[in-house]
Amino acid sequence: NAGVTQTPKFQVLKTGQSMTLQCAQDMNHNSMYWYRQDPGMGLRLIYYSASEGTTDKGEVPNGYNVSRLNKREFSLRLESAAPSQTSVYFCASSRGGAWPNEAFFGQGTRLTVV
Amino acid sequence: GDSVTQMEGPVTLSEEAFLTINCTYTATGYPSLFWYVQYPGEGLQLLLKATKADDKGSNKGFEATYRKETTSFHLEKGSVQVSDSAVYFCALSEMDSSYKLIFGSGTRLLVRP
Repeated sequence: NAGVTQTPKFQVLKTGQSMTLQCAQDMNHNSMYWYRQDPGMGLRLIYYSASEGTTDKGEVPNGYNVSRLNKREFSLRLESAAPSQTSVYFCASSRGGAWPNEAFFGQGTRLTVV
Repeated sequence: GDSVTQMEGPVTLSEEAFLTINCTYTATGYPSLFWYVQYPGEGLQLLLKATKADDKGSNKGFEATYRKETTSFHLEKGSVQVSDSAVYFCALSEMDSSYKLIFGSGTRLLVRP
């Protein structure tokens, strides 16, 4: 009963390095999301994919790219990491296409950029 | 755009006290409303939900009522336990084709024995 699986759980990057955060869900959900969580800021939407083959910018997309590889997988890429991207990143999925559109979350990736 | 506003924390209560965490929202349409809970070191879990005006969501002793006239969805619990210590997030999902979920900033609850 995996649900939403994120890898890695922890990562330290140097400024300017690149990396990809992986996310996979096994609930046959249509919609997937990437959020970042910062102290006092709640969860802010980076990118989302309402359905396979589509991606859209959220509230804070700058410095990130995403790929909806297939229905199960939605990756987030940092091309040139900056200290401002130090955060906890959460992937989520939801059924989409119907309401209520409740989301299921992964355990998070704690990223530190030094 | 759509937004969710929660009361700032932390909220500190003694065990068995009554809990209220305020949440108000702004939306262009008729959203679904949610409360999520995050325990330390974990992801978010759905606590309860409501999809239309006057709906009451409930789970684990927590309740929240969808109030369209005041655009609110306040979380309540009659008697909190130490195990309820967590961060609580109010969220909305607009009923359009984006299926976006918009979260509030979260309210940390600390329950003392």
